[in-house]
Amino acid sequence: TQLLEQSPQFLSIQEGENLTVYCNSSSVFSSLQWYRQEPGEGPVLLVTVVTGGEVKKLKRLTFQFGDARKDSSLHITAAQTGDTGLYLCADSTSGTYKYIFGTGTRLKVLA
Amino acid sequence: NAGVTQTPKFQVLKTGQSMTLQCAQDMNHNSMYWYRQDPGMGLRLIYYSASEGTTDKGEVPNGYNVSRLNKREFSLRLESAAPSQTSVYFCASTLGGELFFGEGSRLTVL
Repeated sequence: TQLLEQSPQFLSIQEGENLTVYCNSSSVFSSLQWYRQEPGEGPVLLVTVVTGGEVKKLKRLTFQFGDARKDSSLHITAAQTGDTGLYLCADSTSGTYKYIFGTGTRLKVLA
Repeated sequence: NAGVTQTPKFQVLKTGQSMTLQCAQDMNHNSMYWYRQDPGMGLRLIYYSASEGTTDKGEVPNGYNVSRLNKREFSLRLESAAPSQTSVYFCASTLGGELFFGEGSRLTVL
């Protein structure tokens, strides 16, 4: 059974700081997704990465996929209070429609 | 567009009671999912339905049953609720890429 471990579990930073959160898998990813969840809502997709070594940018967010496709990182530059939320990585088991999620990183950006 | 709609949004049960969480999507998606989210944890997959007429167990299926009523609707049933099933439940759907989630159903079992 694939396990997705995220670190750190909690992160509290000041507005304007940079941060990186990580997602590591016990097996090779099929296609890794990153979601953000705000309180009282369901998760919303940020990005999907498929190819080893792939880097995707979404404004101040940079997503990187490890060469061996077993790890991924999300880097936020100059964090804003609006970045506060729970960041989740997810993978769909190859050949199935089964999506599992990581343990999550709860980010709080202080003004 | 309504997207994914879950009912009820809040429910309090006593141990041993039964209930059904309803989920409907209007995006013509093939696959639907039920997850639970506990404090300090990510989402754990309970059951999923890859397409109409099929259902499969996820990571934590014990104590739950599901029904894919038609392409739009996927229900989750607790036959005999236990305090360990206190959680926030999310329904989701997809065509095979992005998951779209409902707003969640908060269930408390006393």
